[in-house]
Amino acid sequence: AQSVTQLDSQVPVFEEAPVELRCNYSSSVSVYLFWYVQYPNQGLQLLLKYLSGSTLVESINGFEAEFNKSQTSFHLRKPSVHISDTAEYFCAAFSGGYNKLIFGAGTRLAVHP
Amino acid sequence: NAGVTQTPKFQVLKTGQSMTLQCAQDMNHNSMYWYRQDPGMGLRLIYYSASEGTTDKGEVPNGYNVSRLNKREFSLRLESAAPSQTSVYFCASSAAGTPTGELFFGEGSRLTVL
Repeated sequence: AQSVTQLDSQVPVFEEAPVELRCNYSSSVSVYLFWYVQYPNQGLQLLLKYLSGSTLVESINGFEAEFNKSQTSFHLRKPSVHISDTAEYFCAAFSGGYNKLIFGAGTRLAVHP
Repeated sequence: NAGVTQTPKFQVLKTGQSMTLQCAQDMNHNSMYWYRQDPGMGLRLIYYSASEGTTDKGEVPNGYNVSRLNKREFSLRLESAAPSQTSVYFCASSAAGTPTGELFFGEGSRLTVL
């Protein structure tokens, strides 16, 4: 069983609408949590991360994620999406040490005009 | 800025053939990784190397071998390819075994085993 669970495999949304991509983690992983983005035919890039401190973290392109310990969640949100946000998004966490980053199954975000 | 370079980008093999995927990074990173990406399964860690001279198994190591040739290079070998190994393979590197979590990925190698 995966220790990082992304609840939606695909999320279609219209441009300028808000979006939430859901991620839950199990107690078997660390509470250092990450979101990566993969644009078509590219490798993954770090979008944002939670290591400690404020539970709300932000990226430079308007995404934010909130670490919620009681609900074991780290959902990714954006209040208004653009066509260019179309990509696959992966939630990740360390498992069994800081050299083993494991990923959820991914959520494909499709932004339509 | 090359970052992480993988070769080849595409490869078609027949069942039973062998091949090696090459990966090199120019960021002086200590840690390197091989992942495979399959639809609906995300990325799964095959092997990783925390530092030069060490390698460890990840989630799905069966059917693969790795070599950390030096600090820059980390290769993945399929000794006898099987159709189940059809996938996109990503090499990645990171600065050290600290919880910064930032891995730098190559562009991927798409392997098809017939």
